[in-house]
Amino acid sequence: DIQMTQSPSSLSASVGDGVTMTCRASQSISSFLNWYQQKPGKAPKLLISAASSLQSGVPSRFRGSGSGTEFTLTISSLHPEDFATYYCQQSYSIPAFGQGTKLEIK
Amino acid sequence: EVQLLESVGVWGGLVQPGESLRLSCAASGFTFSSYAMSWVRQIPGEGLEWVSAISASGGNTNYADSVKGRFTISRDNSKNTLYLQMSSLRVEDTAVYYCAKDHYGSGSYIFDCWGPGTLVTVSS
Repeated sequence: DIQMTQSPSSLSASVGDGVTMTCRASQSISSFLNWYQQKPGKAPKLLISAASSLQSGVPSRFRGSGSGTEFTLTISSLHPEDFATYYCQQSYSIPAFGQGTKLEIK
Repeated sequence: EVQLLESVGVWGGLVQPGESLRLSCAASGFTFSSYAMSWVRQIPGEGLEWVSAISASGGNTNYADSVKGRFTISRDNSKNTLYLQMSSLRVEDTAVYYCAKDHYGSGSYIFDCWGPGTLVTVSS
């Protein structure tokens, strides 16, 4: 099975800051990598699919990149509503999620 | 608007170890019969775990090793409803269960719409 590892597990930042979080796969998954945002008590929301394809309605400050085994999610200028937990997920084979990166307000 | 809404059987989401439970997910706002569907669960306060998937026609299913042989996914395209029959439940099956729609018709395992989730508690 393919394992997904996210880092850091938590991240503190301020409104207006730019942040980057990383997701690594235990083997190559090409570009079969998706990013979700989850707020407390809510279902996950798909942000980015296929490593870099922004979903309709998702602000352009979100950017995904990478291929193979290493991927990043960058938020260029944090808005208050961006503080949440972010999960990566590989769709190359049987789906697997990373353990999440919790983005907190500093 | 695409909507998914999970529900649990008439006895609610609290069961004892070894018992069974069926989850339902009512879909609306899209052509249900054209999309693969999945169940994903989340232990409160923890991460996400994919549980099972079913093709648009219902002819193909897939399961996580942790539930294989105990859970059965099915769908009724005439009722726009997805099901998860859970048997031999264990304490470690306690979680919020989400149904999720596949982004593409075939099983891409990209989940573009999720229900609000329903809590299943397995406890003696």
